[in-house]
Amino acid sequence: DAGVIQSPRHEVTEMGQEVTLRCKPISGHNSLFWYRQTMMRGLELLIYFNNNVPIDDSGMPEDRFSAKMPNASFSTLKIQPSEPRDSAVYFCASTDSGRGSYNEQFFGPGTRLTVL
Amino acid sequence: AQSVTQLDSHVSVSEGTPVLLRCNYSSSYSPSLFWYVQHPNKGLQLLLKYTSAATLVKGINGFEAEFKKSETSFHLTKPSAHMSDAAEYFCVVGLANAGKSTFGDGTTLTVKP
Repeated sequence: DAGVIQSPRHEVTEMGQEVTLRCKPISGHNSLFWYRQTMMRGLELLIYFNNNVPIDDSGMPEDRFSAKMPNASFSTLKIQPSEPRDSAVYFCASTDSGRGSYNEQFFGPGTRLTVL
Repeated sequence: AQSVTQLDSHVSVSEGTPVLLRCNYSSSYSPSLFWYVQHPNKGLQLLLKYTSAATLVKGINGFEAEFKKSETSFHLTKPSAHMSDAAEYFCVVGLANAGKSTFGDGTTLTVKP
């Protein structure tokens, strides 16, 4: 398996622009997580999906952030409009949370976002 | 409800000496426990996991952790540190058959030559 795939790996944009981050989870995994990591705040869970349905979005900073999972093999995290304080590394992770599983999460390589 | 506390934000050891990274957890149910490692500018990689089969868990790169229910601890150890072990380490508590896991704040391990 190729593991969790994220694109782009690096994104540089200007304040006010729309940013879309993409994630392909490991085939067969039914839960997907979006995290944000900064030096100041550490690793934060933004939202997670189970069977393509958002279960907990309490970590989403504000309405500028939105996430979708239209099918089991694809998810997006969108920021519109972007602000400099959104600069961070965004990680996607997936797991098999079915019966008998222990829910270890497999992380993608991350997208490093810089908003100028 | 579940929570995890990593007792040290920074640990510094000399190369060749033992490593101890401490983690305490709380969980309403029998937990799953994990340690992840993150090298600079990299993603998180699973080091090891506790799944109730054995209290002493061996992971990659010579690391191991012991689950102690009476102490609600899951400390990570390695007998001899290597320079390549310098990284950030996260202790994680989860629930079997459930979704969200809880991550600790991380411990930065520095290895001095």
